[in-house]
Amino acid sequence: SQQGEEDPQALSIQEGENATMNCSYKTSINNLQWYRQNSGRGLVHLILIRSNEREKHSGRLRVTLDTSKKSSSLLITASRAADTASYFCATDPEYGNKLVFGAGTILRVKS
Amino acid sequence: NAGVMQNPRHLVRRRGQEARLRCSPMKGHSHVYWYRQLPEEGLKFMVYLQKENIIDESGMPKERFSAEFPKEGPSILRIQQVVRGDSAAYFCASSPRKTGYTGANVLTFGAGSRLTVL
Repeated sequence: SQQGEEDPQALSIQEGENATMNCSYKTSINNLQWYRQNSGRGLVHLILIRSNEREKHSGRLRVTLDTSKKSSSLLITASRAADTASYFCATDPEYGNKLVFGAGTILRVKS
Repeated sequence: NAGVMQNPRHLVRRRGQEARLRCSPMKGHSHVYWYRQLPEEGLKFMVYLQKENIIDESGMPKERFSAEFPKEGPSILRIQQVVRGDSAAYFCASSPRKTGYTGANVLTFGAGSRLTVL
């Protein structure tokens, strides 16, 4: 079964605002990844955080990981209309051979 | 590097027909994953293959679905006797992960094949 749960399911913000999405999971992981999907397209890898890391930055993206709470958050700062997409967390389990995806957060950035 | 190529992008089938979806992984990638996505939902794992081997098919229905990744040619996901519930987007992803590799498994996805069953 899919173990990643994301919230909110949908988020609508104004351009320039920050967007925060959360992900919870259930099992031990090697790393957690965030992917983006534009409507009708495939997923694109955004950022990866390893289980021994607590925070990671990439451009306007900031990811945190709390392994004690089995949760992660993705922050997109200074959002743009082009950030409108679905965002998925995916866990790379410690014992396993496949990424497990959450249900995703639909982000809409209004200009 | 053309990335992960999937075809067809759109496929319409009537109930009872067969659907064949193809996936060519990125150059240098020998591991292929198939995921299914229903509208407004996340991706559900179906099967993980290496060349000529099925590594994990725990997410694939036991009946009507099969997958292969031959030594030569693309990976194929085959759905026999399709039903309306098979309507979904099917995504293929590849990675360069090698057997015994314990590093991060980052996937490169294709654009997907959207199956509509009438």
